Amino acid sequence: NAGVMQNPRHLVRRRGQEARLRCSPVKGHSHVYWYRQLPEEGLKFMVYLQKENIIDESGMPKERFSAEFPKEGPSILRIQQVVRGDSAAYFCASSPLGGQSTDTQYFGPGTRLTVL
Amino acid sequence: GQQLNQSPQSMFIQEGEDVSMNCTSSSIFNTWLWYKQDPGEGPVLLIALYKAGELTSNGRLTAQFGITRKDSFLNISASIPSDVGIYFCAGQGQGAQKLVFGQGTRLTINP
Repeated sequence: NAGVMQNPRHLVRRRGQEARLRCSPVKGHSHVYWYRQLPEEGLKFMVYLQKENIIDESGMPKERFSAEFPKEGPSILRIQQVVRGDSAAYFCASSPLGGQSTDTQYFGPGTRLTVL
Repeated sequence: GQQLNQSPQSMFIQEGEDVSMNCTSSSIFNTWLWYKQDPGEGPVLLIALYKAGELTSNGRLTAQFGITRKDSFLNISASIPSDVGIYFCAGQGQGAQKLVFGQGTRLTINP
C-alpha cells in the first residue's frame, strides 16, 4: 500500500457519537483523497484535499461530514452524530502530483466503521 | 454522475485458466486504472493506462485502454491461487483528480 497509514483500522461507535478517522499520506505526498466503500460495492469518492485546502468535496454529504488536511499532521475525516448508514470502510489515498494526468493514487488499508 | 459498469461480477475458475474482465462507461475517461483488493485491505494498483489504445502488461496481467476511451479490459493468464480477490477498474476524467470505480469482479480459483 505504498506507505499510506490509516488509524484506527476498526472503529465502533454508537448512534449519535462522533467518529474521527485519521490518514497519514505517503511521505512527500501533499494530495489526499477519501473514499467510502459499502459491502459488495466499489469505492465512492468523497473529498480531495491538498495541504490546508479542500479542492473537491462533491462526494461528501453536506451534513455531519467534514474533512481537513492541516499543514502539520494527518488528514482527518470527521463524522458527527453517526447513524447506522455510516457503517462502511473508509479509505484514504495520497498522490504526489495532484493535477497531472499520470498521477497515481496509493491507498491505505482503510478504517472499518461500525455504528451500533 | 459518471458510472462504470464492470463485468462479470464474479468468476469461478480452475487454477491455470486465463481470466478476462472489462469495464464500460457512457463517459470518456483520460486514465484507466486496475486495482486488486484483498479482504480487509485497501486497493493495490496493478496497471495504469494513460493513452487511448494503450496495451500494457505487468507480469501475467495485461490491460488495454479502449480506443473510444469508454472501456478497458484486464486479462490474467495462467491464474494461480494468490490471484484470488476483488478486481476493480477505475477511471479518471479530464481535469478531475477523483477516481470513479466499477463495482468489482470477485475472482475465486479452484485448485
